[in-house]
Amino acid sequence: SVLTQPPSVSAAPGQKVTISCSGSSSNVEYNYVSWYQQLPGTAPKLLIYDNNERPSWIPDRFSGSKSGTTATLGITGLQAGDEADYYCETWDSSLSTVVFGGGTRLTVL
Amino acid sequence: QVQLVQSGAEVKKPGASVKVSCKASGYTFTGYYIHWVRQAPGQGLEWMGWIKPESGDTNYAQKFQGRVIMTRDTSINTAYMELNRLRSDDTAVYFCARDLEREVRAWFHPWGQGSLVTVSS
Repeated sequence: SVLTQPPSVSAAPGQKVTISCSGSSSNVEYNYVSWYQQLPGTAPKLLIYDNNERPSWIPDRFSGSKSGTTATLGITGLQAGDEADYYCETWDSSLSTVVFGGGTRLTVL
Repeated sequence: QVQLVQSGAEVKKPGASVKVSCKASGYTFTGYYIHWVRQAPGQGLEWMGWIKPESGDTNYAQKFQGRVIMTRDTSINTAYMELNRLRSDDTAVYFCARDLEREVRAWFHPWGQGSLVTVSS
């Protein structure tokens, strides 16, 4: 994938976890980054858009940030229901296409 | 509420075509871009392109240029994605998703439930 995410992360209930999304100047650095949660067998759900904006229906346990060519999703107060695959996404100006990260599987221990 | 409902699963032979529908409700269909994203079994998400329902303008990912056609019927608030010359590696769940805002931002919300397309001889 054009955007690089760790394949998996894990943490205990109640803890905090971060998921990184590494790209380049043609994508992450100068374009809006979004994050999606995909529970098993379901469609993805928008968590974060415009780098750090959270839709009104998403709890404030979820946050987004960006520095240079790396975007980060943070999740605090982990719950069992947060176990899912998480994807970052942005526009790539060189490829002229929307690109997704390879996805990160979150395990709540 | 804003909702996208897709057509059902399809089984196609290699070389055939498939057309997936995405019916919108709960908002002004012509006001927001519709994107198509696919996911092969056990794999990540792949963007295929968008259609602007107001005008019918499209923008396809280069990978699918020449093989995909996105259309819409504004009289029934439905978008379509047709993929031609199917191969086995086109086996995937195909999602439609609306852009969150009226401009094309590729902020996808909501999503349809997905349509499984299986390509097998």
